[in-house]
Amino acid sequence: GAVVSQHPSWVICKSGTSVKIECRSLDFQATTMFWYRQFPKQSLMLMATSNEGSKATYEQGVEKDKFLINHASLTLSTLTVTSAHPEDSSFYICSARVASAYEQYFGPGTRLTVT
Amino acid sequence: AQKVTQAQTEISVVEKEDVTLDCVYETRDTTYYLFWYKQPPSGELVFLIRRNSFDEQNEISGRYSWNFQKSTSSFNFTITASQVVDSAVYFCALSGSGFKTIFGAGTRLFVKA
Repeated sequence: GAVVSQHPSWVICKSGTSVKIECRSLDFQATTMFWYRQFPKQSLMLMATSNEGSKATYEQGVEKDKFLINHASLTLSTLTVTSAHPEDSSFYICSARVASAYEQYFGPGTRLTVT
Repeated sequence: AQKVTQAQTEISVVEKEDVTLDCVYETRDTTYYLFWYKQPPSGELVFLIRRNSFDEQNEISGRYSWNFQKSTSSFNFTITASQVVDSAVYFCALSGSGFKTIFGAGTRLFVKA
């Protein structure tokens, strides 16, 4: 089956630093990748949609200058949390989709803690 | 606009009881997919089922069964003879045009021994 990996699985960083999270589709080419954020005991909230080779589309209320998304290839998308603050601490999950398919394959998530 | 409503925030049952998790959705799309995911404490989503809007057949997989009714825009999930290992958060999700997946708030299921 389709496998999506995320790296790192967890990260602790100091306030004011930037953190990069990678999302890779291991055995398929993902034309579209999605980034979700999940706060404790809450649902997954879509942050942005990225298509390979083009700029990401951000959901309302998500700061694009704070959450930089790059989708440079059909197998890799990165989310960079810039100038992280404690309120950015969350569980970040990516998913990947192949062209013309509704099915999305989810990564295992990255737990970010900002101290 | 698309919306998924899971009205049950938490459900607590005793092992071997049957339990039904409700899901009601809203969409204007004629073609869409509905999903159920399980999220154990580790956080990784576990895919349970996908159903497209043209297939209203109910499905059974072991102790799990799903009832899809377009007339009431519902896609309910039943666990028969629940087990402690079923304890988790369960999400119902909808994917329509634009291919974004929208999640419900989730239902936290506690199964007590």
